[in-house]
Amino acid sequence: EAGVTQSPTHLIKTRGQQVTLRCSPISGHTSVYWYQQALGLGLQFLLWYDEGEERNRGNFPPRFSGRQFPNYSSELNVNALELEDSALYLCASSLRQTGELFFGEGSRLTVL
Amino acid sequence: EDKVVQSPLSLVVHEGDTVTLNCSYEVTNFRSLLWYKQEKKAPTFLFMLTSSGIEKKSGRLSSILDKKELFSILNITATQTGDSAVYLCAVANAGGTSYGKLTFGQGTILTVHP
Repeated sequence: EAGVTQSPTHLIKTRGQQVTLRCSPISGHTSVYWYQQALGLGLQFLLWYDEGEERNRGNFPPRFSGRQFPNYSSELNVNALELEDSALYLCASSLRQTGELFFGEGSRLTVL
Repeated sequence: EDKVVQSPLSLVVHEGDTVTLNCSYEVTNFRSLLWYKQEKKAPTFLFMLTSSGIEKKSGRLSSILDKKELFSILNITATQTGDSAVYLCAVANAGGTSYGKLTFGQGTILTVHP
């Protein structure tokens, strides 16, 4: 069974640009979570989607947004990139409300 | 706001040693505590604990939760170089504004030398 898949694995952008990261959850999982892991910092919660709707949001500015599609895959969009957005962006999925998250390999974003 | 603090932040041991990693937490509406191992990128799930005093065990790894004192420990016996990783502790909140998200600690970096 395929795990959580994310794309792209690495990308480099410049300040002010926009980026879209993609995530496909484990088959049968309806919840998708996004986390940011900046260098030297722990995982910071960004967004939680379940059944196509945003259920909760972390303490990030509105330029971080996303959506979940009917097939439960998800996108994370970051507008007006800043240098401090450089981080590993991890997507995770779970069966709704079980609490056990399964993580993808992440998308490493570098902002120059 | 929910909070998770792990200690030590880093630990260096030799193969065969036993290590204990600590995790203390503050959460408004506790649902579960989870341990993850992160070697390169994707954190991999180790344990989920919901009940106090019941040890979860998998091979050389074991973990226990104390809901009264609000902490958990992760033990690794007979460490191997493959145990070198960042170990993450997280708590899940059952309600309120934190519902549905895991709050992670900063992690413990474990290095096992041959």
